Formats: sequence, C-alpha cells, structure tokens
Amino acid sequence: EDQVTQSPEALRLQEGESSSLNCSYTVSGLRGLFWYRQDPGKGPEFLFTLYSAGEEKEKERLKATLTKKESFLHITAPKPEDSATYLCAVRSGNTPLVFGKGTRLSVIA
Amino acid sequence: KAGVTQTPRYLIKTRGQQVTLSCSPISGHRSVSWYQQTPGQGLQFLFEYFSETQRNKGNFPGRFSGRQFSNSRSEMNVSTLELGDSALYLCASSRAAQSTDTQYFGPGTRLTVL
Repeated sequence: EDQVTQSPEALRLQEGESSSLNCSYTVSGLRGLFWYRQDPGKGPEFLFTLYSAGEEKEKERLKATLTKKESFLHITAPKPEDSATYLCAVRSGNTPLVFGKGTRLSVIA
Repeated sequence: KAGVTQTPRYLIKTRGQQVTLSCSPISGHRSVSWYQQTPGQGLQFLFEYFSETQRNKGNFPGRFSGRQFSNSRSEMNVSTLELGDSALYLCASSRAAQSTDTQYFGPGTRLTVL
C-alpha cells in the first residue's frame, strides 16, 4: 500500500528565512510525485510534478527535488503570502493518488 | 481556460438526508476524481471516473456513490447523511486517467451535516 509522510506538521518562519519541507514515500513503482499548495477553505493548487529520482523543478521561491525515497520542497526567502498548507501526493500504477497530511507553513513579517 | 467548477459551494443538511454534488472538469479533461477532506484524516480518495467508467473506488461505505456523464461532468451522491460526513468535498480533473497525469482541483463543496 502506498504511503506518504510529510514533516514537519507545522513550520513557522520569519520572512526571508529559507527552509525545506519533507515528503517521504513508500510506493511500488513511482509514476509521479505531486506538490500542491492549499489555502484555508480552498481547493489545492498545483505546484509541481516530479517523475524520476534526480529531477528538480523551480517556480519563483519554490524548488522541488526528488530522490528514490523522498522529496523536498525548498522555500527560499519566503514571504507572508507563501503561508499555506503544502501537500505532497504520489501515484503508482493505476492506483489512486495518495496524499500526505500536509505541512502547515506560516511566514511572519 | 476555465478551471474546475463545483456546485454548490456550501451545503447544510440534517442527518438522514441525501445530497448531490456536481463537478465540471476543465475543458478537454476526461477524467474526474473525488476526494473527502477533513481536519483529522486529510485528503481521502472517493472515486475516479474516465469516459463514464469508474476506474477506482476508495474505502467508503456504499452510501457514497458517483457517476460521470458523456460530457465528462460528474456528480457524487451521499445518502442517509451522518454527522461524520461533514467535510470539504473536492473534485479534480485530468486529461486522461494516466498515473502520470496532473490532477487539477476545484474550490470544493463544504458540506455541514447537523
């Protein structure tokens, strides 16, 4: 059974203080790892898809990386508007997308 | 390009009633998935449809059902509502049902069961 564990559960950063969020996964044959951002009361917003170990993708202050066991979402010089819950999900074969519980990020000005 | 739309956005029902939620996917997307999100359990998979066929079903009781129409729009139904069904119900669409396809989410329907 596919499993996803995200850490930490919550993270509080000062504006400009860079950090990383972790997503550890256990799947039999990873087909894709997906990162989403979710604001309170809204649907998840797609950020990145990673397909194979060694792959990296960047968007503004965010960079996602992938190894065979985990993915990191690096946030460089965060701003208050980066405050949200960040969700990681994996898919293998024809099984449904499996989500982690998320990391709740707060960036303080 | 319009995103995934869900109606209604908010619903208040009482125990024992039934409810139908609607989802319109992004134009050109043929696969629709449904999820239930609660603070304690996070995002849990309900169903996945592609070309009007259910491809996957999550571990939910038979009170939860869904369907997809020929225009790719989808509905889910919950009968005999229980207090524990209170949640944010999210719909996501993707181009096909390939495991590598990215799913794009709608804003959700907030269901409150009293």
